Amino acid sequence: GENVEQHPSTLSVQEGDSAVIKCTYSDSASNYFPWYKQELGKRPQLIIDIRSNVGEKKDQRIAVTLNKTAKHFSLHITETQPEDSAVYFCAASRVWAGGTSYGKLTFGQGTILTVHP
Amino acid sequence: IAGITQAPTSQILAAGRRMTLRCTQDMRHNAMYWYRQDLGLGLRLIHYSNTAGTTGKGEVPDGYSVSRANTDDFPLTLASAVPSQTSVYFCASSPGTGGSEAFFGQGTRLTVV
Repeated sequence: GENVEQHPSTLSVQEGDSAVIKCTYSDSASNYFPWYKQELGKRPQLIIDIRSNVGEKKDQRIAVTLNKTAKHFSLHITETQPEDSAVYFCAASRVWAGGTSYGKLTFGQGTILTVHP
Repeated sequence: IAGITQAPTSQILAAGRRMTLRCTQDMRHNAMYWYRQDLGLGLRLIHYSNTAGTTGKGEVPDGYSVSRANTDDFPLTLASAVPSQTSVYFCASSPGTGGSEAFFGQGTRLTVV
């Protein structure tokens, strides 16, 4: 089955700096890679995702890059703010042809991001 | 408000007791999942269901069972709870056809003593 490794486990940055979280996956058939943000005591919520037919996707201060050859993908947060402090999870799954996703998402271990004012 | 809800939100359970965690969604999503979240281990899949009437085992299924009698409900049962099942449990759903995003319930914090 799929195995997702996530690094670092903790990340501390100053407000305004950039933060990068990296994940590797093992199953070359995986083609859908979402990132979730989980605030303390809350549920995980999707912040950005990427499919294997693109190499990069941006949404305001958040971007995700994907290297299919190396089987790794990364989350980039620019101009970090204290409200970005949370646990971030990467995940991988396989979306079947036609868009059907019986996506048993396999998650990384999580990264605790702390943004200091 | 459309979404996915879990009950109870927290529970303290004596070891050996039987417990069912409830999960209901009103988004007509085909796929539903149960994850457990433990510190340092991320979210691990327990069981999943691609559509009503079908279920499958995830990464850590032992000691748990599920059923999917209809589209909306996906209960998780611990037949005889053990302390290692102390965890936060999240139910999630995704559209399946045409969509991949997983939507999570608010979680159930279970303590087995």
